[in-house]
Amino acid sequence: KNEVEQSPQNLTAQEGEFITINCSYSVGISALHWLQQHPGGGIVSLFMLSSGKKKHGRLIATINIQEKHSSLHITASHPRDSAVYICAVRANNNDMRFGAGTRLTVKP
Amino acid sequence: NAGVTQTPKFRVLKTGQSMTLLCAQDMNHEYMYWYRQDPGMGLRLIHYSVGEGTTAKGEVPDGYNVSRLKKQNFLLGLESAAPSQTSVYFCASGTHYGYTFGSGTRLTVV
Repeated sequence: KNEVEQSPQNLTAQEGEFITINCSYSVGISALHWLQQHPGGGIVSLFMLSSGKKKHGRLIATINIQEKHSSLHITASHPRDSAVYICAVRANNNDMRFGAGTRLTVKP
Repeated sequence: NAGVTQTPKFRVLKTGQSMTLLCAQDMNHEYMYWYRQDPGMGLRLIHYSVGEGTTAKGEVPDGYNVSRLKKQNFLLGLESAAPSQTSVYFCASGTHYGYTFGSGTRLTVV
């Protein structure tokens, strides 16, 4: 079993829909990251969380440390949100583990 | 405002050859990382560094060596390349508040 599990693996949505991507982890962490990888391959760091909730534009990330679970929400989704979203956890020794990613396709 | 720069962007090696990938950051970040990304495997950490002169092994360190002689540079070395090391390599640097990724190096070992 992977230390970081993401669901769903693939997600197709219509433009405007509310999207949720989930991440569960089984190790102790100092922080959790959400990353976005576009079809061209570049990786962008969206959020770093150690507790609570963060919001940036239409993106919202939450984390529940006790339940070892995080969610990434996208409100009013748009075709330009189509990408692979990756959850990554940073252990206390700064080692990092990654989820397999969620491939999101938003159709116009 | 270069951020994180990886060189080279593409490389083809023959089995047994050696090479060094360079990661350079101009943000004065303490932490630097090398990852590889393979189809169906996601990102995996090779080695990382929490400061100048320090390195540590990640999830898949075998076949690779690293050095962090200067804070701004993190080098990844392949002493004797193998076809299993064909991959896309990403470098990242960061702090406790977030990370910046390089654009990747596509390495093919034939």
